[in-house]
Amino acid sequence: AQSVTQLDSQVPVFEEAPVELRCNYSSSVSVYLFWYVQYPNQGLQLLLKYLSGSTLVESINGFEAEFNKSQTSFHLRKPSVHISDTAEYFCALSRGGFQKLVFGTGTRLLVSP
Amino acid sequence: DAGVIQSPRHEVTEMGQEVTLRCKPISGHNSLFWYRQTMMRGLELLIYFNNNVPIDDSGMPEDRFSAKMPNASFSTLKIQPSEPRDSAVYFCASSLGVTGAQETQYFGPGTRLLVL
Repeated sequence: AQSVTQLDSQVPVFEEAPVELRCNYSSSVSVYLFWYVQYPNQGLQLLLKYLSGSTLVESINGFEAEFNKSQTSFHLRKPSVHISDTAEYFCALSRGGFQKLVFGTGTRLLVSP
Repeated sequence: DAGVIQSPRHEVTEMGQEVTLRCKPISGHNSLFWYRQTMMRGLELLIYFNNNVPIDDSGMPEDRFSAKMPNASFSTLKIQPSEPRDSAVYFCASSLGVTGAQETQYFGPGTRLLVL
């Protein structure tokens, strides 16, 4: 069975500081990896995804994540956060095909001035 | 595009009552997902349709829950009878449904259900 572990339930950080949200996964087969973001009182939105190719993937708003197969990780990073990045971030994986997404428990990013 | 539409946005009901949640996926999307989100259990997939056919309903908690997709533009999630432990935010999501799980899922705004 596949699983996703997000080690930090909450990450407080000051505006303009760097941040890393950790995600580790467990799977015996190749997987696709995703980061979704949920702003308060909204549904989830895709932030970025790794399907194949370059192990470093980037989003349009400055986030990036690196797929590390040896460490079974897909950590999310941003060099300088904004207040507007305050949200909950979910890591997810899928085996592909018509297999379902498996979500982690989420990490709440709290950015303060 | 209007995105995924869910109704109602909020529902308050009493234990034992029937609850019906509705979802209209994005036009042209062939896969539809129902999720439940609670503080205790996080985000759980309840059921997943592709081309109106249920593909995976292993997440449906018990017989009190049922979901239908009579056509490509409409789905319902019904709880009968409802219980206080069903209180949660229920999300509907859709995707193109051509190549599978690597496709982006687009989430609706959710229905916040409170069962008293």
